[in-house]
Amino acid sequence: GESVGLHLPTLSVQEGDNSIINCAYSNSASDYFIWYKQESGKGPQFIIDIRSNMDKRQGQRVTVLLNKTVKHLSLQIAATQPGDSAVYFCAEETDNQGGKLIFGQGTELSVKP
Amino acid sequence: GAVVSQHPSWVICKSGTSVKIECRSLDFQATTMFWYRQFPKQSLMLMATSNEGSKATYEQGVEKDKFLINHASLTLSTLTVTSAHPEDSSFYICSADTGGFTEAFFGQGTRLTVV
Repeated sequence: GESVGLHLPTLSVQEGDNSIINCAYSNSASDYFIWYKQESGKGPQFIIDIRSNMDKRQGQRVTVLLNKTVKHLSLQIAATQPGDSAVYFCAEETDNQGGKLIFGQGTELSVKP
Repeated sequence: GAVVSQHPSWVICKSGTSVKIECRSLDFQATTMFWYRQFPKQSLMLMATSNEGSKATYEQGVEKDKFLINHASLTLSTLTVTSAHPEDSSFYICSADTGGFTEAFFGQGTRLTVV
C-alpha cells in the first residue's frame, strides 16, 4: 500500500554540524510533501514543504530536496542547534485533499552541545 | 499561521467510559478536519476525515462506532472515544485544512490514558 518511510530512525549530531534526514515515498503520483518537527508531547510543527514540480526549496537554515526519479525526499538542517532536537516526519499529501497526510516513520534528531 | 487548538491536553479515564476531545480552529473556518492517532515512538496514523455538516470518512480498520466524530460547525470537530479500553490509550492529534494555506495546521494533541 501507500507508505512514506525513513531510512534512519535516530540521528545524533554535534551542535553546529549540518543534519540530513532522509525519507522514501512509494506513491509516484504524490505531488506535495511536507516536513514536520515534533517535540515531545506536542503536535507536529510545519517546517518546510515542496511540490513535485520543484527539486529543491530553501527556508531559514533548512533545505528540502526532492528526487522524483527514486522517490526520495531529504531535509537538511544547517548549523544544527540544541533546539533542533526533536522527531522529524516527512508527510505526503494523498488524494489531492489538503491536509490529508500519510506520515513517514520519523527520525529522532539528537543534538549534542 | 493558522491556529488549531485541542482540548483537553490530557485526560485519564476509567475503562468502559467515554471521552470527548475537541478540536477548534481559532482564526479561520475549516470545512475539513483530520484526526490522527500516535502511539509512543511511532508515527501519526490518519484515523478519519471530519467534514462539516456531513458524516466523517474513516480510514480502513478504524471503527466508526467506537470513534465518533462530529463536525457541527466550521470551527469545531469533536472525537468521542466510546467505551474506552487501555489499548485506546494514545496521543490523539487533529489538523485542519485551512483552504487558503497549502499546509495543514495541527493541534497540540491530547494524551488519553485509559486505566
